[in-house]
Amino acid sequence: KQEVTQIPAALSVPEGENLVLNCSFTDSAIYNLQWFRQDPGKGLTSLLLIQSSQREQTSGRLNASLDKSSGRSTLYIAASQPGDSATYLCAVNRGATNKLIFGTGTLLAVQP
Amino acid sequence: EAQVTQNPRYLITVTGKKLTVTCSQNMNHEYMSWYRQDPGLGLRQIYYSMNVEVTDKGDVPEGYKVSRKEKRNFPLILESPSPNQTSLYFCASSPKPTRTYEQYFGPGTRLTVT
Repeated sequence: KQEVTQIPAALSVPEGENLVLNCSFTDSAIYNLQWFRQDPGKGLTSLLLIQSSQREQTSGRLNASLDKSSGRSTLYIAASQPGDSATYLCAVNRGATNKLIFGTGTLLAVQP
Repeated sequence: EAQVTQNPRYLITVTGKKLTVTCSQNMNHEYMSWYRQDPGLGLRQIYYSMNVEVTDKGDVPEGYKVSRKEKRNFPLILESPSPNQTSLYFCASSPKPTRTYEQYFGPGTRLTVT
């Protein structure tokens, strides 16, 4: 059974810092991995999608990497801003049903 | 604007009173699904649909029904809600049911069953 873990569960950093969020999964047979942010009352916003054949994806200040063999992905946020404060979720897609298996999330607070 | 919409956003109801949560997408997506989010359990899939008239159970389908009569709509039906269905519900869609596409989520429906 695929399990997805995110560490740390919560993180507080001062504005301007670069930071890394971690995502681990137990079964390396995944098709892709997607990073989301969740804001209270605003649902899930897709940030980046990495296919299993890719090593990384970049969007603005965000960079996500994928190491399938070790079952890990990282989300790097450069020059953090208070507006980056949210819960960040990773999700792996490994089944024929296109189901996403979500991690437990990292609650990020960026202090002004 | 391309989006997934859900209605209502908030709902408080009583045990046993049938309700429907609507989900609609304007992106002509084939694949749609429903998830529920609970503290400590994360997001879990309830039902999914590969295309019109094609639906199947996810991990936690008990107590729920769905239908997919049109491509854009995928309502979630609770025939006899119970307190253990109190949760935050998300609808999602993707262009195709294959595993190479991003999935897009709606804003969520917070349901409380008393």
